Order: sequence, then structure tokens, then C-alpha cells
Amino acid sequence: GQQVMQIPQYQHVQEGEDFTTYCNSSTTLSNIQWYKQRPGGHPVFLIQLVKSGEVKKQKRLTFQFGEAKKNSSLHITATQTTDVGTYFCAGVPGNGQNFVFGPGTRLSVLP
Amino acid sequence: KAGVTQTPRYLIKTRGQQVTLSCSPISGHRSVSWYQQTPGQGLQFLFEYFSETQRNKGNFPGRFSGRQFSNSRSEMNVSTLELGDSALYLCASSPQLAGQYEQYFGPGTRLTVT
Repeated sequence: GQQVMQIPQYQHVQEGEDFTTYCNSSTTLSNIQWYKQRPGGHPVFLIQLVKSGEVKKQKRLTFQFGEAKKNSSLHITATQTTDVGTYFCAGVPGNGQNFVFGPGTRLSVLP
Repeated sequence: KAGVTQTPRYLIKTRGQQVTLSCSPISGHRSVSWYQQTPGQGLQFLFEYFSETQRNKGNFPGRFSGRQFSNSRSEMNVSTLELGDSALYLCASSPQLAGQYEQYFGPGTRLTVT
């Protein structure tokens, strides 16, 4: 069945280091969304990418949608302790209807 | 605007019982989706309601059901509870179908089945 995968599962970085999480789908996604969930909190929407090859930036965060619309990445430059949390990608596969979340990447930032 | 609210926030039930969880979406949002979150399985889609109609359903047994009222408020019900149903149940609302626009999540209901 349709799966959305993310790597890595966990990432520990020193404050100030960069961080990247990758999202891969077995089928084409109509669009992709990214969410962040702080420990003990609920997922909060970060961004949506729609176009093939699209790149969007939010301050230190850079989001990319692959040319084939099957993969995406989130890059954080110079991480801060406030970046701690789990980052999820999610989307609707081109041949399906259910909104599917990836398993998430849990980021820890050491001060 | 008020955010998505869920009640109750915490619940402890016994195996075999049933439970009903409630979700009030953001005013004007027509879509309400439900998710089950567990440490091992991540965020699993349960179902989505849009304008009182179930639009999509995830891969969960028939013990999990839901409904949406004319004011967009939604409830989900789990019958014959099992230990494995212990999880955080999140609802999310959106102006249109999930995936077309951002979803706003509620704080969740933490269900513990003993």
C-alpha cells in the first residue's frame, strides 16, 4: 500500500549545527505538507508545497519538493533548542484520497 | 478565532467498554479528521468528515466510528475497547478537504485502556 517514509528516524545535533530530514513516497503526491510537534504537544502546520521542484523558505527552514513529486526535504540551518520536536511530512497520494503522514523525524538539540 | 477543542482531555477505560470523544473545529471549517497517535505507529489516519459525510476512512476495524453534526462538531466512538486502543486521539479541522489546506490540530484526548 501507499507509504510515506522519513529518514532519519532520530537526529541528535549540537546547537548551531544544521539538520535535514527527508520524506519519500512510493507514489506521486499531489502536494506535501510539513508539521512540527513539540514534546507533549500537537502537530502544528509549517508549510505546504504544491509544485514540482518548489522551494520555500521560512527564516532558518528551507523546504523542497522533488521534481517527481515523490520526495521532499526540510533543512534547518543553525539549529536552536527551540527547534526540538518531531517533524512530519504528509500528503495525499496521487492515486488515493487519504491524507497520509510519514512516521516523523525526532530532532534533539543539545545546548 | 478559537482553536480546535477536544473533550475530554484524559480518559481511563476498561477493556470491553466503549468511549465517545468529541471535537469542536475552528469556526467555519467544514472538514474534521481524526488520527490515532501511538509511539510505535506514529500518526494513523482514522477518518475524515466533510459537511456531515464521511469522505475517507483509514485502515481501522469497524469498532472505530464517527459522525459529524450540522455545526461541524464531530464525535468518534470506539466500542469494545482493547488494550491496544490506548493512544492519543487527535482531531484536526480544515476549511476544505484534508490535504488541500493546512490542518489545525486540537490538543488531543489521551485514552488509557486497562
